[in-house]
Amino acid sequence: GIQVEQSPPDLILQEGANSTLRCNFSDSVNNLQWFHQNPWGQLINLFYIPSGTKQNGRLSATTVATERYSLLYISSSQTTDSGVYFCAVEIQGAQKLVFGQGTRLTINP
Amino acid sequence: KAGVTQTPRYLIKTRGQQVTLSCSPISGHRSVSWYQQTPGQGLQFLFEYFSETQRNKGNFPGRFSGRQFSNSRSEMNVSTLELGDSALYLCASSLIGGDSPQHFGDGTRLSIL
Repeated sequence: GIQVEQSPPDLILQEGANSTLRCNFSDSVNNLQWFHQNPWGQLINLFYIPSGTKQNGRLSATTVATERYSLLYISSSQTTDSGVYFCAVEIQGAQKLVFGQGTRLTINP
Repeated sequence: KAGVTQTPRYLIKTRGQQVTLSCSPISGHRSVSWYQQTPGQGLQFLFEYFSETQRNKGNFPGRFSGRQFSNSRSEMNVSTLELGDSALYLCASSLIGGDSPQHFGDGTRLSIL
């Protein structure tokens, strides 16, 4: 099956720093989504981004489908950005998401 | 617009019992998916339903089952519980399933004693 790899596995930053999270996938995908799981376990949809670039406030994401990777940028980090960031992909017709193992982001004040 | 609602939020059971979890999707969403999250295996797909039909099933034993009702609400059932079934169970809804964003509920945290 398709493999989804996220890097780095862990990232510790000071408040105000910028970060880039990467997601590589092993096969062509129909769509790709980024999620943030907060310390209470809630999984929040950040971006639905099968290709191209999207921005939402301090967050932006870029997917280059032909090269099988996606990037999530977080600028001017805040402590509330802490948590685990997941990338998930779906192949055509599968009706399911395959998740990466996540990047654990810790923002210190 | 109300989000995805999962009940109960927490559940404690003993080995051998069975459990039923419930998920109410966002209004208008017809696809409901279930995922299991554990520290060792991460997030794994259980099954997906659309218009009361199961369209896909993950690699889980037959003890795990589900169904969807005509109002798109879904339930999943786990019979003969094992210690390894302790996990966070997450439900996601979307308009049509594939090609549409998935929105997750807060999950049901199941602990098996």
